Amino acid sequence: KQEVTQIPAALSVPEGENLVLNCSFTDSAIYNLQWFRQDPGKGLTSLLLIQSSQREQTSGRLNASLDKSSGRSTLYIAASQPGDSATYLCAVRAPGNQFYFGTGTSLTVIP
Amino acid sequence: EAGVAQSPRYKIIEKRQSVAFWCNPISGHATLYWYQQILGQGPKLLIQFQNNGVVDDSQLPKDRFSAERLKGVDSTLKIQPAKLEDSAVYLCASSLSVTRNEAFFGQGTRLTVV
Repeated sequence: KQEVTQIPAALSVPEGENLVLNCSFTDSAIYNLQWFRQDPGKGLTSLLLIQSSQREQTSGRLNASLDKSSGRSTLYIAASQPGDSATYLCAVRAPGNQFYFGTGTSLTVIP
Repeated sequence: EAGVAQSPRYKIIEKRQSVAFWCNPISGHATLYWYQQILGQGPKLLIQFQNNGVVDDSQLPKDRFSAERLKGVDSTLKIQPAKLEDSAVYLCASSLSVTRNEAFFGQGTRLTVV
């Protein structure tokens, strides 16, 4: 069964710093990997989707990479802002069209 | 493009009562998911529909939870009777049928069982 792990569980950084969030998964047979943002009490907002054949995707200050063979993905946030404070979740899409989620990284950007 | 709609946003019930949640997916999305997210944890899949058929309900506690997807569009998730440990956010998501597409989530329903 697919297991998804996110490290660290929580991260606190000063504003302006670049940071990396990590996601690892145990089964490399995935269709894609999606990074989400979740604000307190809210649903999930899709940030980036990387197909299994891709190595990375970029959107604004966000860059996500995927190394399927080693079961790893990273989300890079450049020049962090207080508005980036949220929980970041990664999810892999497995055969059968199911999503497996990690437990998330809670990010706090200090002004 | 309208997103995934869920209602209600919040619900507080006593244990052993019943509750129902509603989800309207993005138009044209054949796949619909219900997830349970307990505080501090990642979402856990409860049930997955493809059109109006169930694809995966292996983690749905079928003694108390039920779900249906009428005509392959809207879906309802019901809990009867509720337990304290059912307190969580219930998230609905949808995607196009092919596996390479993004999933889009609703705002969720926060359930508190007292």
